[in-house]
Amino acid sequence: QVQLVQSGAEVKKPGASVKVSCKASGYTFTNYAMHWVRQAPGQRLEWLGWINADNGDTRYSQNFQDRVTITRDTFASTAYMELTSLRSEDTAVYYCARDRGDITSAGTAWFDTWGQGTLVTVSS
Amino acid sequence: QSVLTQPPSASGTPGQRVTISCSGSSSNIGNNYVYWYQQLPGTAPKLLIYRNNQRPSGVPDRFSGSKSGTSASLAISGLRSEDEADYYCAAWDDSLRGVVFGGGTKLTVL
Repeated sequence: QVQLVQSGAEVKKPGASVKVSCKASGYTFTNYAMHWVRQAPGQRLEWLGWINADNGDTRYSQNFQDRVTITRDTFASTAYMELTSLRSEDTAVYYCARDRGDITSAGTAWFDTWGQGTLVTVSS
Repeated sequence: QSVLTQPPSASGTPGQRVTISCSGSSSNIGNNYVYWYQQLPGTAPKLLIYRNNQRPSGVPDRFSGSKSGTSASLAISGLRSEDEADYYCAAWDDSLRGVVFGGGTKLTVL
């Protein structure tokens, strides 16, 4: 079955960087785009960006444009999200989510499969 | 502040019908599909409705979605205790060139 398995929880100091992985299985990785979404404690969902798993094109939220980088390794069927210059407000659960829409289209919010989430804690 | 506006809370008794609204603009809901997600406490969101009113396999037909202009709604009929969760609407935004979410609605089954 389609599954996304994320890397484990991280604790980082302010100013550091974090890289979260998302390993896909049960489908052809390059046929779909992958998004990253985060949720701070008790807060709403917030979109960070996405990657076309086929050609590697990326698009980022304006709120994170200068701090986030999304990459993928097609051989490992794995997507990565790196966030730099961490601050306490970045403490959140980070999710990867598969985009069920047409990979050639501009983008959708059609997330049919989600990873289990990775808690990133930023604390001095 | 969220681009899509949802009421922060909703409630109903078992068996009732509850509706959750989601208000946006021409750059998101008005020109793109709306999606709804259910998030149970401590778990990842789950797709509930896609392309305005389509249900993925396994989602009960008690859940239905609709869209009109720049607003959308999620209706839950025959309310059950297990429906107690947070519900989020989402859409692509052409101006922001990204996904926007509503602020979420916490549904309480009384």
